[in-house]
Amino acid sequence: DAMVIQNPRYQVTQFGKPVTLSCSQTLNHNVMYWYQQKSSQAPKLLFHYYDKDFNNEADTPDNFQSRRPNTSFCFLDIRSPGLGDAAMYLCATSSEGGQPQHFGDGTRLSIL
Amino acid sequence: GESVGLHLPTLSVQEGDNSIINCAYSNSASDYFIWYKQESGKGPQFIIDIRSNMDKRQGQRVTVLLNKTVKHLSLQIAATQPGDSAVYFCAENSGGSNYKLTFGKGTLLTVNP
Repeated sequence: DAMVIQNPRYQVTQFGKPVTLSCSQTLNHNVMYWYQQKSSQAPKLLFHYYDKDFNNEADTPDNFQSRRPNTSFCFLDIRSPGLGDAAMYLCATSSEGGQPQHFGDGTRLSIL
Repeated sequence: GESVGLHLPTLSVQEGDNSIINCAYSNSASDYFIWYKQESGKGPQFIIDIRSNMDKRQGQRVTVLLNKTVKHLSLQIAATQPGDSAVYFCAENSGGSNYKLTFGKGTLLTVNP
């Protein structure tokens, strides 16, 4: 009974071709996060939503956008993927601050 | 602050031994800490957390110790099993926001049968 579900698990796109990654949750959590994780590195926060309030990290490239149409769903849009954007993208949720974040199993993005 | 590295620290133990994974955190104002286990091809999985008003917390086969004086966090795993092999990350809330976590580098634990 997965609680944070990411689709697809693997995504291949071409250099410069827009791509959208999806995340859904059954936990009814207020906060949803997107992280980028490269090989042998820690997850790096890109942005998060508290309800509909969007919070971007200062060093997140403009190439990365996000949408949260409702509590359950959140999307990561990469407008013009470059080779350096190949990574695992992790979605997480939490009910509030000071509580664990619950992660999905990620989408591994490859750029051709 | 967060550092970027291409090589994870590693810890290799024998099955049945106890494991201790260490983490130095960066922000003395952090008041919530968490350990995650990440297996290959999966997302981080919550193991245990601790708040800054505690210095020790125990779970099933795991214990987290917090030393705020030296900004050090450790995870102890008792009777380590092959299924414990994974990368372990510590994380702290940071940046003046309780909602955000900053992750440490990670430690690769390998359990030898």
